[in-house]
Parts: sequence; structure tokens; C-alpha cells
Amino acid sequence: SQTIHQWPATLVQPVGSPLSLECTVEGTSNPNLYWYRQAAGRGLQLLFYSVGIGQISSEVPQNLSASRPQDRQFILSSKKLLLSDSGFYLCAWEQGAVGNTIYFGEGSWLTVV
Amino acid sequence: SQQGEEDPQALSIQEGENATMNCSYKTSINNLQWYRQNSGRGLVHLILIRSNEREKHSGRLRVTLDTSKKSSSLLITASRAADTASYFCAINSGGSNYKLTFGKGTLLTVNP
Repeated sequence: SQTIHQWPATLVQPVGSPLSLECTVEGTSNPNLYWYRQAAGRGLQLLFYSVGIGQISSEVPQNLSASRPQDRQFILSSKKLLLSDSGFYLCAWEQGAVGNTIYFGEGSWLTVV
Repeated sequence: SQQGEEDPQALSIQEGENATMNCSYKTSINNLQWYRQNSGRGLVHLILIRSNEREKHSGRLRVTLDTSKKSSSLLITASRAADTASYFCAINSGGSNYKLTFGKGTLLTVNP
């Protein structure tokens, strides 16, 4: 069966420090991968999606970047964190065909202080 | 915006009662999905209903879709305290989840 792992679960980082959140999917190949952010009391905002290795699309301009170095690995990064980057970050995957169910990881709480 | 809007924002009921949450959207859809999120956790997929479907069931869950009214409802029957969570609808408008947009959710509290 397929599983998705996301880490770290919680992170407290000072302003200006770098960020790296990692996500891996097991039990499938060539998934579509997603990074979402959820602000307190809000819905989910799509940040990045990827349909293949090295293919990244960004939905909103921001202080973050994403990379997909391997088929089942998706990384969210920042060179210098801002206070506004605080939030709950969720990685998700779906099997490649469009319109399928998306499966989410457990999320990473980021607090920028 | 294609974002789904859930209604109500919060709902508090007693165990054993039914809970109904609604989602409205603005334009045509490919499918509509309902998710559940326990506090501080990831989202769990509940039901996907396609634009040519009107009703789907899964255990105690029943989802309806009325494309003429651009609305969907999620019914949880015989609720349990463990159903306490936020429930989100998500709109797939282009056949691709690249553009899956989520509402702000309904916070359901089931009191024992």
C-alpha cells in the first residue's frame, strides 16, 4: 500500500534562517506531488505541484521554493525565513491520472520567531 | 474564485444526532471532494463525487451534489464524539488536481 511521510513534524526557526521540509511517498511511482500551506482557521493554499522529477510549478509568488530530486521525494525550502512563513505545511500526492483522490501527509508545523 | 464555501463555519451537536454540512461553489466542476482534518493533523479523504453523480455513500457518510445549484452537502448520521473534526470541501474544476481549491472548512463538535 502507499504511504506518505513528511518531516519534521514541528519546527521552530528564527527569522532569516533556512528551511527544509521533506516529503517522500512509498508504494507508487510517478505520482503528482503537492505542497500546501494552511494558515490558522483557513483553508488550504496550494504552493507548489510537480508532475515529475525536476518539474515544479508555483502557484503563488513567495519566499519559498520546491524541488523534486527523485521521483517520490518532494522538498520545500527557503533560504531566509520570514515571520509570515509560519503555518502548517502539508505534502500530498495523487496517482498521476487527473482528477483522482489526493492523499495528505501528517503535516509540519513551522513557527518562525 | 472557484473556492468552495462551507456552511456553517461551526456546528455543535450531541452524539447520536445527524450533522449536515454544505458547500457552495461558483462555476462548473469536474468533481468535488470532502476531507476531514483532526486538529493539528493532515487531511483525510472522505468521498469524491463527480459532476455526473448526484449522491454517494460511504458508511455513515452521505454526500449529495446539485450542479444546478452549485452546491454539495455532507451528512454524517448517528454522529460520534470521534467525528469531531474540521470538514473541508475541495473543488476540482479543471480535471486536474493542480487546481484543486479548498474552502475554509466547517468545525464539527460532537458532544458526548
